[in-house]
Amino acid sequence: EAGVVQSPRYKIIEKKQPVAFWCNPISGHNTLYWYLQNLGQGPELLIRYENEEAVDDSQLPKDRFSAERLKGVDSTLKIQPAELGDSAVYLCASSLAGQGAPGEQFFGPGTRLTVL
Amino acid sequence: GENVEQHPSTLSVQEGDSAVIKCTYSDSASNYFPWYKQELGKGPQLIIDIRSNVGEKKDQRIAVTLNKTAKHFSLHITETQPEDSAVYFCAASTSGGSYIPTFGRGTSLIVHP
Repeated sequence: EAGVVQSPRYKIIEKKQPVAFWCNPISGHNTLYWYLQNLGQGPELLIRYENEEAVDDSQLPKDRFSAERLKGVDSTLKIQPAELGDSAVYLCASSLAGQGAPGEQFFGPGTRLTVL
Repeated sequence: GENVEQHPSTLSVQEGDSAVIKCTYSDSASNYFPWYKQELGKGPQLIIDIRSNVGEKKDQRIAVTLNKTAKHFSLHITETQPEDSAVYFCAASTSGGSYIPTFGRGTSLIVHP
């Protein structure tokens, strides 16, 4: 079974440019997460989807970040415009949440963003 | 919100030794505690988890203990091997409704052959 797929793996852009990351979760997983991971830190949640609905996005900087999960499958995370402080690894994870029980989260390899 | 502290930040052991990583959490409502292993260039991978109705759980060379009263939990790896070298993260969350784990800052485990 294929795992969580993310692309691109690496992205280098200049500040003020837009950038987009794509995630394809494990087939059948209803919950999708986007995390930000700074160097030497644990992942921090940006947004969580249940099917196509964003149910937790309080940590998403909405002035420059946006996300969508069309048809409840693939998801795209966008930053416009990017700032130097956005340099980090962006992780996507998916799970099959049960009734009140957390499903195991499967993480993709991440996209390493460098903003110059 | 939840706050998870993890120690040590770096742990260096000889092959065959045991390794212990400790975490504390602040929210008494947290009842689900997963541990993740992250290798270089990869995303975190769940290696073991424990729920608050259990005090200890073991899976081969890996064990996790939980002290709800003290709000701390620990990962124990016995007979360490070089392939255990990685960054380990603890996390804490409630298991009902929204599952939003709060992660510790990670422990870089180095196992010397």
